[in-house]
Amino acid sequence: SQQGEEDPQALSIQEGENATMNCSYKTSINNLQWYRQNSGRGLVHLILIRSNEREKHSGRLRVTLDTSKKSSSLLITASRAADTASYFCATDAGDYKLSFGAGTTVTVRA
Amino acid sequence: EAQVTQNPRYLITVTGKKLTVTCSQNMNHEYMSWYRQDPGLGLRQIYYSMNVEVTDKGDVPEGYKVSRKEKRNFPLILESPSPNQTSLYFCASSILTSSSYNEQFFGPGTRLTVL
Repeated sequence: SQQGEEDPQALSIQEGENATMNCSYKTSINNLQWYRQNSGRGLVHLILIRSNEREKHSGRLRVTLDTSKKSSSLLITASRAADTASYFCATDAGDYKLSFGAGTTVTVRA
Repeated sequence: EAQVTQNPRYLITVTGKKLTVTCSQNMNHEYMSWYRQDPGLGLRQIYYSMNVEVTDKGDVPEGYKVSRKEKRNFPLILESPSPNQTSLYFCASSILTSSSYNEQFFGPGTRLTVL
């Protein structure tokens, strides 16, 4: 079943602006992961945050996790045209299944 | 180069004609999985495997079969494809530690059309 749900479904921003997207999930998790997909290609792993972590950074990416609210956010700072993609959260609930949301489509305008 | 490969990348077939999509990884990963991606639905897991000869159903297994005879290969079999199996398919692999995942490595995808 689909556990993660991203919000918004689509986001359009100007180059240089920040992009924020959210993920909500329903059950307790071991970890939550964010992936990027460029136009019908394979997904690329961005960052993994474990249930005992609250914030994680990787380059221009910042991920937060609030297990009490069962939600996570992905912030992309100083966006570039190359950040145009779909972004998915995926939750690992410890049942050997990784459940993906429907994704947020981000368009960065030059 | 560490990678997951899938073949074919594109396939158009007709209802009822058996087909196999191959998946291979060169990273010695224990865990492999198949997903289908449909517009507005994200990725849904079809089957997964935690090691050789160990497979289990995901969320949408109906109409699909898998096998894991070797660690590196995890083929997806459609015995009698139907138009509702028209989709974009992804294979993925990862290290498996305890019951938790590390990052999953995805193949490039197979776009299947069933007429």
